[in-house]
Amino acid sequence: ETGVTQTPRHLVMGMTNKKSLKCEQHLGHNAMYWYKQSAKKPLELMFVYSLEERVENNSVPSRFSPECPNSSHLFLHLHTLQPEDSALYLCAAGGDRSEKLFFGSGTQLSVL
Amino acid sequence: AQSVTQLDSHVSVSEGTPVLLRCNYSSSYSPSLFWYVQHPNKGLQLLLKYTSAATLVKGINGFEAEFKKSETSFHLTKPSAHMSDAAEFLCVVRRDSSYKLIFGSGTRLLVRP
Repeated sequence: ETGVTQTPRHLVMGMTNKKSLKCEQHLGHNAMYWYKQSAKKPLELMFVYSLEERVENNSVPSRFSPECPNSSHLFLHLHTLQPEDSALYLCAAGGDRSEKLFFGSGTQLSVL
Repeated sequence: AQSVTQLDSHVSVSEGTPVLLRCNYSSSYSPSLFWYVQHPNKGLQLLLKYTSAATLVKGINGFEAEFKKSETSFHLTKPSAHMSDAAEFLCVVRRDSSYKLIFGSGTRLLVRP
């Protein structure tokens, strides 16, 4: 148990659906991250929030929309996704510019 | 620009034999380097980190890594592999004063009985 919980663990959605991924941290860290892990590709940073303010947006398509309502919760809202968006989406928490990140187990997303 | 290259996508060893997972980096600055491990159906866990202190870094579960500036390498080693070590290992470099971690493509370690 890393103190970072992601739900759901698995998600299958059609290209016209709207869904949300949820991340919750119980560690009291200031920063939260969304990463994308595709097969045979390195982890890609998507978004970083620090103290509920987005501090990094790594050229992610607008069909991915993050939300950080407070320092313990992070969402990734999904709409009109493409099959190539199928991947493992990992949430992480850490201190400001922390070297040590605590990762959740991820949401395995399949877009049909 | 920072980048990291993991030279082997798969490494297979017998239980009880040494493990070597290779990582080379490029960085314009003095880098911060990390190894993370990812077990199936689990998130990533930090194994060890180098941040310009001792060049030989000891991590959890008997792993260690040596920072060699002249070779721009940060290879991960363990004297004796255990079956429970089988996992994906990710070498990571951090851009100075940045939130951004640059991940390598990973090395899958297989441990044969």
